[in-house]
Amino acid sequence: DTGVSQNPRHKITKRGQNVTFRCDPISEHNRLYWYRQTLGQGPEFLTYFQNEAQLEKSRLLSDRFSAERPKGSFSTLEIQRTEQGDSAMYLCASSPPGTGVNEQYFGPGTRLTVT
Amino acid sequence: EDKVVQSPLSLVVHEGDTVTLNCSYEVTNFRSLLWYKQEKKAPTFLFMLTSSGIEKKSGRLSSILDKKELFSILNITATQTGDSAVYLCAVLSSNTGKLIFGQGTTLQVKP
Repeated sequence: DTGVSQNPRHKITKRGQNVTFRCDPISEHNRLYWYRQTLGQGPEFLTYFQNEAQLEKSRLLSDRFSAERPKGSFSTLEIQRTEQGDSAMYLCASSPPGTGVNEQYFGPGTRLTVT
Repeated sequence: EDKVVQSPLSLVVHEGDTVTLNCSYEVTNFRSLLWYKQEKKAPTFLFMLTSSGIEKKSGRLSSILDKKELFSILNITATQTGDSAVYLCAVLSSNTGKLIFGQGTTLQVKP
């Protein structure tokens, strides 16, 4: 399978715990995005990487959230001191290099439930 | 503030019907508009539209963009139950490629 992969697919955690999600983009895609989707809403942009550089962060990304892409391949999204409001589907997407306008391909998502 | 608005929010039709989904936007640094289909999992890419008036077509699905009036439509002809899904419209903004999504249209196709 050469698509975007995400792990874990589901995570249930207690409020106050830290969680970390992983995203492996499509091979050779240098752009990687994180989005959050709550029930009945479209995905909301969280952050964007080009190679290993984090180039944009949404104001939705509070200081409890941190994302990394240390080698320009896979990325991790960590949420510290989780709150019930963090319950959502966390989606990762990637797009290929180039100066043109490129569509983003999404992974299956990680569904987080904070109890 | 950038926004993308889809209508209707939900739609119920019978197999064989034709449906039109609407997407309007107010986004600075517009680059293109994308349509995705989401069936209880990650969104799957349908179309990307960059130029006004040029229809994109794939089987029974087609879409067109009007950059003057700031909207797009997605048409599905001869609907099938497998078309039941949430259809998401998103605008690609700025040089970073951030997608701004609408809230989606939930389509249910009854046999």
